[in-house]
Amino acid sequence: EAGVTQFPSHSVIEKGQTVTLRCDPISGHDNLYWYRRVMGKEIKFLLHFVKESKQDESGMPNNRFLAERTGGTYSTLKVQPAELEDSGVYFCASSQVFGDAKLFFGSGTQLSVL
Amino acid sequence: GNSVTQMEGPVTLSEEAFLTINCTYTATGYPSLFWYVQYPGEGLQLLLKATKADDKGSNKGFEATYRKETTSFHLEKGSVQVSDSAVYFCALSDLGGSYIPTFGRGTSLIVHP
Repeated sequence: EAGVTQFPSHSVIEKGQTVTLRCDPISGHDNLYWYRRVMGKEIKFLLHFVKESKQDESGMPNNRFLAERTGGTYSTLKVQPAELEDSGVYFCASSQVFGDAKLFFGSGTQLSVL
Repeated sequence: GNSVTQMEGPVTLSEEAFLTINCTYTATGYPSLFWYVQYPGEGLQLLLKATKADDKGSNKGFEATYRKETTSFHLEKGSVQVSDSAVYFCALSDLGGSYIPTFGRGTSLIVHP
């Protein structure tokens, strides 16, 4: 069984540019989560999809971040325009059942905004 | 709100040493508690969990006991190996609230031969 995959693994962009991160969850997992870890701090929740619907986006920092999950399969997280403080590791996770806190994580995308 | 506090790392040990990584939590409801581990180049994976007070989670020689009176869930291992070198994250999921796991900042463990 394939795990959660994220692309790219690393991205270096300049302030003001746009970056799109992609996450492919485990097949059959309706629940998809985005998290972010900034400079060794806590892994912070960004948002949660159930299939194609945004169930909870309370952790999204501002309107420069846009997440989509068309068709309820893979998800993208776009940052436009990127700012220096957006640098960090973006993790995607999926689970089959909501309320099951056993999440399956991807290896993350390291985003560096210069 | 919910929060998890972990001891700062890195924790550096020699092989076969005893490991403790402290974790305390704040929760408004009745949380389940977890330890996740991230090996180099990989995603986080669930290491162990405990769902109610006094429960002990265990896996791969690691243990943690859910202590409601001290709001703690410290991770322990009696004899670490080089292969245990990783980042360890304590987390909670508030089943009376949003369910979505809240994570700590992670503690890096480095084990030397």
